[in-house]
Amino acid sequence: DGGITQSPKYLFRKEGQNVTLSCEQNLNHDAMYWYRQDPGQGLRLIYYSQIVNDFQKGDIAEGYSVSREKKESFPLTVTSAQKNPTAFYLCASSIQGARYEQYFGPGTRLTVT
Amino acid sequence: AQRVTQPEKLLSVFKGAPVELKCNYSYSGSPELFWYVQYSRQRLQLLLRHISRESIKGFTADLNKGETSFHLKKPFAQEEDSAMYYCALRAYGNKLVFGAGTILRVKS
Repeated sequence: DGGITQSPKYLFRKEGQNVTLSCEQNLNHDAMYWYRQDPGQGLRLIYYSQIVNDFQKGDIAEGYSVSREKKESFPLTVTSAQKNPTAFYLCASSIQGARYEQYFGPGTRLTVT
Repeated sequence: AQRVTQPEKLLSVFKGAPVELKCNYSYSGSPELFWYVQYSRQRLQLLLRHISRESIKGFTADLNKGETSFHLKKPFAQEEDSAMYYCALRAYGNKLVFGAGTILRVKS
């Protein structure tokens, strides 16, 4: 493996706490993405970024925030405003935009109690 | 609206039987469609894309604009094909829209 990494693999938090999920890639990809994967709902796009210092909301951005200060890194913060944060989170990257193959990380399972 | 529909949550077939995983899309522009696959304990990865018109691991998928479909087919299923399959559409804003996914189980 390698290429695109996510840490940690499992994360547990108390309700009301913000938590940041890490995503790093060494593929020199311009674009990076965050998805949420829930049973029966597939992958839903949270945020994406096509260049450094720029990002766009996806379909379910409420309660989440991101930053893209470096090309290699695209951390996702799950805030206390997210009503149902327990989920499996996937990060992906691609050369440039959705036309190109997206490479996925191994995912982080977040459990909020 | 941009939408991808995979009507079957689970498809179970016997080894050697033909497989067809259904995918329908809704998109007003010129569609670009993909199939991604996630094998057990592995990362989600691209299986094939319609613009390549290629066969990967014996799978093919043809874009049918009239029926707005991009079904994934394989003539003879193998046990190693068991996985979760996602159909995806490249949509406005240069992003991918995924379907809900279909679990394929190939029984021996």
